[in-house]
Amino acid sequence: AQKVTQAQTEISVVEKEDVTLDCVYETRDTTYYLFWYKQPPSGELVFLIRRNSFDEQNEISGRYSWNFQKSTSSFNFTITASQVVDSAVYFCALSETDSSASKIIFGSGTRLSIRP
Amino acid sequence: GAVVSQHPSRVICKSGTSVKIECRSLDFQATTMFWYRQFPKQSLMLMATSNEGSKATYEQGVEKDKFLINHASLTLSTLTVTSAHPEDSSFYICSARTSGFQETQYFGPGTRLLVL
Repeated sequence: AQKVTQAQTEISVVEKEDVTLDCVYETRDTTYYLFWYKQPPSGELVFLIRRNSFDEQNEISGRYSWNFQKSTSSFNFTITASQVVDSAVYFCALSETDSSASKIIFGSGTRLSIRP
Repeated sequence: GAVVSQHPSRVICKSGTSVKIECRSLDFQATTMFWYRQFPKQSLMLMATSNEGSKATYEQGVEKDKFLINHASLTLSTLTVTSAHPEDSSFYICSARTSGFQETQYFGPGTRLLVL
């Protein structure tokens, strides 16, 4: 069965600090997608990244970076030089690639608070 | 990116009444849409998969007679909460899946339902 674990329920850091959000997943599929979404107080999900299971290259987008390691079934997300606007709930998610299903299973989320 | 809308964004109703929530893909056709429910400070839980022209597939524990899903066109899926009760108060989010190469899901902005 698929499962996504975000062990960190809440994280609070001071602005400009770097912060890493952990994500560990379980799946029996050899082909799958991993995602990160941001959910600000408004509630709308903001898509951040999608990673195919065959692509283990780390990705950097501005202050955001992602570390995908299949050996440890982890897909961690790092925010460098955090800002107050980064405060939100962040969800890691997993989906199968079977086109007839493609359900997205979400982790429990990590609430990130950036203090000025 | 693709846009998915939901209507209404917020609804308050009396216990025992039915509420219909619409999910529209504005600039693409979606043969498959998904409905999620999110209780306060919790993760998104998949309720059902809505398939255009056929019956929805419900996740375990979700009452299909209470949460009626209709996907009559390639751009519209509706979720009707029948005989709503206070415990149905939640944030309901839909997503629509594109088809073809690089298929992905786009999420709507969500609908906050409060049942009094």
